[in-house]
Amino acid sequence: NAGVTQTPKFRVLKTGQSMTLLCAQDMNHEYMYWYRQDPGMGLRLIHYSVGEGTTAKGEVPDGYNVSRLKKQNFLLGLESAAPSQTSVYFCASNRKIYSNQPQHFGDGTRLSIL
Amino acid sequence: KQEVTQIPAALSVPEGENLVLNCSFTDSAIYNLQWFRQDPGKGLTSLLLIQSSQREQTSGRLNASLDKSSGRSTLYIAASQPGDSATYLCAVYMEYGNKLVFGAGTILRVKS
Repeated sequence: NAGVTQTPKFRVLKTGQSMTLLCAQDMNHEYMYWYRQDPGMGLRLIHYSVGEGTTAKGEVPDGYNVSRLKKQNFLLGLESAAPSQTSVYFCASNRKIYSNQPQHFGDGTRLSIL
Repeated sequence: KQEVTQIPAALSVPEGENLVLNCSFTDSAIYNLQWFRQDPGKGLTSLLLIQSSQREQTSGRLNASLDKSSGRSTLYIAASQPGDSATYLCAVYMEYGNKLVFGAGTILRVKS
């Protein structure tokens, strides 16, 4: 049971470089989310998707873009990385809105921007 | 804006002790409240989910309570073990906006 898989697990970038984080889920979930986790803070929602082809902004969307071309995949892009984007990024998924089933999380991507 | 606060930020206890972790939230318009466990370098694992109409949920040595009107939840861990050492996160799922709002977590260390 793979659940939610994030690729890559670690990455170091230089300021100004671009990259894409991939999230894949095999549970046929409609809803997918990208969060970032910083020391001393809880997870904060970056963007989310309520279905294939749809995306919406979360709490901290600036500097990120997302795409949901396939139901099972949710991509998070950094067009021009900045040191403030150094963080641990988590992807999560859920079957439906207002579900009383918990979100399923990946193991995270640790990203450092030098 | 919903704010979730967890107290204490860190806790160290000897093995065998019963302990309580606290979570408070400012907006009572929640659909449910969730407790997660996070091990170092890992993602979040769901422990307990309490629907807004419920008062508590139990799973093994864990018991979570919810007082929606006062904006409080507690996670009770009985007979703590070193394997319980982890960060515990509280999150509320809002009635509006389709989002979880997280607290900063409590880092728990259980000493053998």
